[in-house]
Amino acid sequence: GESVGLHLPTLSVQEGDNSIINCAYSNSASDYFIWYKQESGKGPQFIIDIRSNMDKRQGQRVTVLLNKTVKHLSLQIAATQPGDSAVYFCAEKWGSGYSTLTFGKGTMLLVSP
Amino acid sequence: EAGVVQSPRYKIIEKKQPVAFWCNPISGHNTLYWYRQNLGQGPELLIRYENEEAVDDSQLPKDRFSAERLKGVDSTLKIQPAELGDSAVYLCASSLGLGGPGLETQYFGPGTRLLVL
Repeated sequence: GESVGLHLPTLSVQEGDNSIINCAYSNSASDYFIWYKQESGKGPQFIIDIRSNMDKRQGQRVTVLLNKTVKHLSLQIAATQPGDSAVYFCAEKWGSGYSTLTFGKGTMLLVSP
Repeated sequence: EAGVVQSPRYKIIEKKQPVAFWCNPISGHNTLYWYRQNLGQGPELLIRYENEEAVDDSQLPKDRFSAERLKGVDSTLKIQPAELGDSAVYLCASSLGLGGPGLETQYFGPGTRLLVL
């Protein structure tokens, strides 16, 4: 299930289950979104991105869904594996040229064998 | 291909001491970013370089923080003097540049974990 931990929301799943991590973004003008995975002691690792002219994009075992009406982004991980355990961040960007990537607070995914 | 390299990986200093972090971006990446990440939070941008030029330093506390990227490749971030609240992970990232999908994707280094006592 999903719960609020001391610092981060936490999603606990069993190996083989599908995981869905949600993100509410802040700016309706945002036109580019990225999901990053951060393992303990490492920097964020790019997973998948999506532009605002799309509502779905698929990668290897991952799918990102974008709902601009409610400013909601989700990351679906199929057949979750213990190696997927990490903190997942969504990030948004708006404007062209020199603009800033703004990160959300992150969700911790715990996968039990 | 080597990723973004940062050093040191860990640093413990006393408050009021200076500290410096070094970053070597991915070869060919024109854009370099320094972020600060507090425990349980997402990274927050401190400064962004396009080649040698700092194009966004609006979030850099300029009274104690400085950065440079002299030849448009490596970069250093300095804090002088450090305060207790500076304890965080300092992340460097790089991207090819601007202008379209893939070019702006940021690749992060492992970070430097700073503890100020």
